[in-house]
Amino acid sequence: EDQVTQSPEALRLQEGESSSLNCSYTVSGLRGLFWYRQDPGKGPEFLFTLYSAGEEKEKERLKATLTKKESFLHITAPKPEDSATYLCAVLRGSSNTGKLIFGQGTTLQVKP
Amino acid sequence: SAVISQKPSRDICQRGTSLTIQCQVDSQVTMMFWYRQQPGQSLTLIATANQGSEATYESGFVIDKFPISRPNLTFSTLTVSNMSPEDSSIYLCSVDWGTDTQYFGPGTRLTVL
Repeated sequence: EDQVTQSPEALRLQEGESSSLNCSYTVSGLRGLFWYRQDPGKGPEFLFTLYSAGEEKEKERLKATLTKKESFLHITAPKPEDSATYLCAVLRGSSNTGKLIFGQGTTLQVKP
Repeated sequence: SAVISQKPSRDICQRGTSLTIQCQVDSQVTMMFWYRQQPGQSLTLIATANQGSEATYESGFVIDKFPISRPNLTFSTLTVSNMSPEDSSIYLCSVDWGTDTQYFGPGTRLTVL
């Protein structure tokens, strides 16, 4: 059965304290892995798409990496505005069925 | 960048009633989807809204409870029928322009009393 597990569930950091969020997945035929940011009361905001092991994507203080079993979202020198829930999702299959399977998310709090 | 809007943004409804949620995109999209996010939970796909034909539902979701329409390439509706308190959730539409990446609307927060 396809499964996505994120850890930790919650993470508290001091401003400037770098860390990583983990997304472990079990899926038959990975088509893509996606990272989203969700602020309270809002819809998920797209961050990155990763397609194959070894791929890396960067955006400001965020860097996403992918292996055959997991993905990491590295946050370098975070700021309070990076506080949010970060969601990981996978898409499988040779054709785009559109069925994203989401993890439970990691809620990040960055204190000034 | 394209704008995805949902109406209403929130609503409080009585059990046994129905609510229709609208999703509008300002450019034509390839695929449209509806998700549910229950309190404190992650997102679960309800169905794929197919243009001009019946929606494709995921296991555990049925057309009688969640009828969906998609009359054109920029608009879709989701109806939550015969509501109970267990239907209290955030309902989200998402769109794909053919790149595999889905972009989400702002969501509709539904409370059923």
